[in-house]
Amino acid sequence: EAGVTQSPTHLIKTRGQQATLRCSPISGHTSVYWYQQALGLGLQFLLWYDEGEERNRGNFPPRFSGRQFPNYSSELNVNALELEDSALYLCASSFDPGDTQYFGPGTRLTVL
Amino acid sequence: AQSVTQLDSQVPVFEEAPVELRCNYSSSVSVYLFWYVQYPNQGLQLLLKYLSGSTLVESINGFEAEFNKSQTSFHLRKPSVHISDTAEYFCAVSLANAGGTSYGKLTFGQGTILTVHP
Repeated sequence: EAGVTQSPTHLIKTRGQQATLRCSPISGHTSVYWYQQALGLGLQFLLWYDEGEERNRGNFPPRFSGRQFPNYSSELNVNALELEDSALYLCASSFDPGDTQYFGPGTRLTVL
Repeated sequence: AQSVTQLDSQVPVFEEAPVELRCNYSSSVSVYLFWYVQYPNQGLQLLLKYLSGSTLVESINGFEAEFNKSQTSFHLRKPSVHISDTAEYFCAVSLANAGGTSYGKLTFGQGTILTVHP
């Protein structure tokens, strides 16, 4: 069974641009979660989508947004990129809300 | 608000020695507890979890953790480590409200880098 997949693996952008990160959950999983792992800040919860709806949001500005598609895949958009947005962005999925979360390999975003 | 504290940022040990990675959490409501492992340049892999039932949980590769509600701890142990156990380990907590509805998010500790020396 395929795990959580994320694309692209690496993404390089310049300050002010927009970045789009993609995630495909494990087959049968309906919840998708996004986390940011920035140097010195640890792993921080960004967003939770379930059944196409945003269910919870972490302490991030509105320029971090996303959506979940009917096939349960998800997109994370970061607008007006800032240097401090450089981080590893991890996507996770679970079968039910609150169930065990399984993580993908991450997308490394570098903002120059 | 809940928080997770991993008491050691780095733990160096020799191969075949025992190890304990400490994790404490603060929460007044029911929690689910997890340990994840992250190898360099990779995502997080689930190591083990406590949802309910027996307070001692084990992984397939020899790790175990014990949920201690009175001490609000979930320490990770292995009686004999291998070089391949070198990685960063994260303790995480998932909360639910009084009605059992999950908030969805995991709150992570800052991580413990385990380095196993030959």
